[in-house]
Amino acid sequence: NAGVTQTPKFQVLKTGQSMTLQCAQDMNHEYMSWYRQDPGMGLRLIHYSVGAGITDQGEVPNGYNVSRSTTEDFPLRLLSAAPSQTSVYFCASSYPRGTTEETQYFGPGTRLLVL
Amino acid sequence: KQEVTQIPAALSVPEGENLVLNCSFTDSAIYNLQWFRQDPGKGLTSLLLIQSSQREQTSGRLNASLDKSSGRSTLYIAASQPGDSATYLCAVLNNNDMRFGAGTRLTVKP
Repeated sequence: NAGVTQTPKFQVLKTGQSMTLQCAQDMNHEYMSWYRQDPGMGLRLIHYSVGAGITDQGEVPNGYNVSRSTTEDFPLRLLSAAPSQTSVYFCASSYPRGTTEETQYFGPGTRLLVL
Repeated sequence: KQEVTQIPAALSVPEGENLVLNCSFTDSAIYNLQWFRQDPGKGLTSLLLIQSSQREQTSGRLNASLDKSSGRSTLYIAASQPGDSATYLCAVLNNNDMRFGAGTRLTVKP
């Protein structure tokens, strides 16, 4: 069981470039989410998905797109990178969905620098 | 909107000391509260999860309590060790929304 995996581990972009952060999980979890972590601000929810074909916005969705074609994969797309998107990005899945026992499982993170 | 606050932001203690980390939240309608550990440059590791109907959870030297009515949780670490040095994050789960505190950076000195 690999759990939640993320690629790449580190990426440098120039302003205006686009890229996709990959996230995959092998636990058959329906719920997946993307967070960004900035110094002194904790983690903030970008987008989430409650199952294949269903996505919704979180607290800070602007500048990011997501799609969920399979249960396993939940990529995050930056269409036109900006320096304000420099951050550490974490993908997570959770189970059992919608219960008080729901536990979050996090990937190792992607460190993104936008110049 | 749920807001989660952790105090203190940083804490330095000598090895062997017992310590308490604090977490407060503004909306008591939560599913659960989780405490995570984060080592520098790493992801988050779940330490303890307290369901909304529970008052506390224990794992080894860690004990977490939850008081929903007052919007507070504490993480108690007994007999601290240098290996406990990390950032500790609390997070509260409402429906479809998990909110994090900014964390407490703990340093345990040998």
